[in-house]
Amino acid sequence: EAQVTQNPRYLITVTGKKLTVTCSQNMNHEYMSWYRQDPGLGLRQIYYSMNVEVTDKGDVPEGYKVSRKEKRNFPLILESPSPNQTSLYFCASSKRLAGGPGTGELFFGEGSRLTVL
Amino acid sequence: AQSVTQLDSHVSVSEGTPVLLRCNYSSSYSPSLFWYVQHPNKGLQLLLKYTSAATLVKGINGFEAEFKKSETSFHLTKPSAHMSDAAEYFCVVRTNTGNQFYFGTGTSLTVIP
Repeated sequence: EAQVTQNPRYLITVTGKKLTVTCSQNMNHEYMSWYRQDPGLGLRQIYYSMNVEVTDKGDVPEGYKVSRKEKRNFPLILESPSPNQTSLYFCASSKRLAGGPGTGELFFGEGSRLTVL
Repeated sequence: AQSVTQLDSHVSVSEGTPVLLRCNYSSSYSPSLFWYVQHPNKGLQLLLKYTSAATLVKGINGFEAEFKKSETSFHLTKPSAHMSDAAEYFCVVRTNTGNQFYFGTGTSLTVIP
């Protein structure tokens, strides 16, 4: 079954304790990205990756890191979490059409609800 | 610059009546546009997408949307609401380079029995 898998689904942590949210897709998609969802703000892009070893900042990258060492995985790292990073996080992937702008849709994981105390 | 505006944060309809969720976009180029639905405690599911083919796009569960370039709109409609349609709906635009997706702030649809 084609899917995007995130772990953990729920996490409560304390300020400053490093954490990683993993994301894996089995659709051989080139494009992967991370979003945070906050009430009244919709989804905002944190980081995205067009392919292996190619990452770039989205609209709200402060406090986050990512890496793309393998095509299927795109972990989100919070080096020193703070309470303002309490949010619902989504990983998503998409096929990028060769030779032209991407028009494919995003496939989403189920979300990871993070609380930073 | 590209952006998306969902004109209503909340819409309430009676079961069996039409649904209209409004979305306007701003784009320098002919965009790719999408509607997603999010049920409580779930991820986002694609309803339909516009990628410069037919301007009237049909999606899942009886939803459809019409791309109107002159009005820069991509409104979502359904002829008859069902209780299971109650959810959050997001209008999304993808940049012409394919690098980024921009989401509207969402419209919460309530269906009254």
